[in-house]
Amino acid sequence: GENVEQHPSTLSVQEGDSAVIKCTYSDSASNYFPWYKQELGKRPQLIIDIRSNVGEKKDQRIAVTLNKTAKHFSLHITETQPEDSAVYFCAEGGSNYKLTFGKGTLLTVNP
Amino acid sequence: DAEITQSPRHKITETGRQVTLACHQTWNHNNMFWYRQDLGHGLRLIHYSYGVHDTNKGEVSDGYSVSRSNTEDLPLTLESAASSQTSVYFCASSGDSYGYTFGSGTRLTVV
Repeated sequence: GENVEQHPSTLSVQEGDSAVIKCTYSDSASNYFPWYKQELGKRPQLIIDIRSNVGEKKDQRIAVTLNKTAKHFSLHITETQPEDSAVYFCAEGGSNYKLTFGKGTLLTVNP
Repeated sequence: DAEITQSPRHKITETGRQVTLACHQTWNHNNMFWYRQDLGHGLRLIHYSYGVHDTNKGEVSDGYSVSRSNTEDLPLTLESAASSQTSVYFCASSGDSYGYTFGSGTRLTVV
């Protein structure tokens, strides 16, 4: 079955530094890789996604990279700000619209 | 505006009682999903549906059931609530892509 490993489980950075969160997956048929941000007490919200025919995608300070051969993908946040503090989830999807999520990373950005 | 709503936001129930959590979406999405969120486990899929009268089991379906009698609603029923089912429950929907929209969640406590 599908399995997604996410690391680290917690990450603390200084404001202005970069943050990187990594995920690995097991299903070779996976072709969609989204990242969700969840603030305390709120619902998860999609922040960026990538499909298997693309190696990298960027949106302002956030970027996602995908290595299909190694079956891993990463979220990169540059110039972190206190409002980036949240739990981040990676996920993978195949052909059935069903997403399997990683266990989450608690990112803390210290002012 | 289209939305996805969950009710109630908070629920306390006793062990052994039947409980139903509501999920209603006005996106006209075919795909609907129920996840539970627990510390250290991330988001785990309980049940999902690809359309009216279609239901499927996820990875943690024991003790839960769903029914889909129309496009808008996918209620989640706990047949006999157990303390292990204390959790935050999220409903999500998607159309012809993977873009999940999550509801605001239901915090369920079983005492």
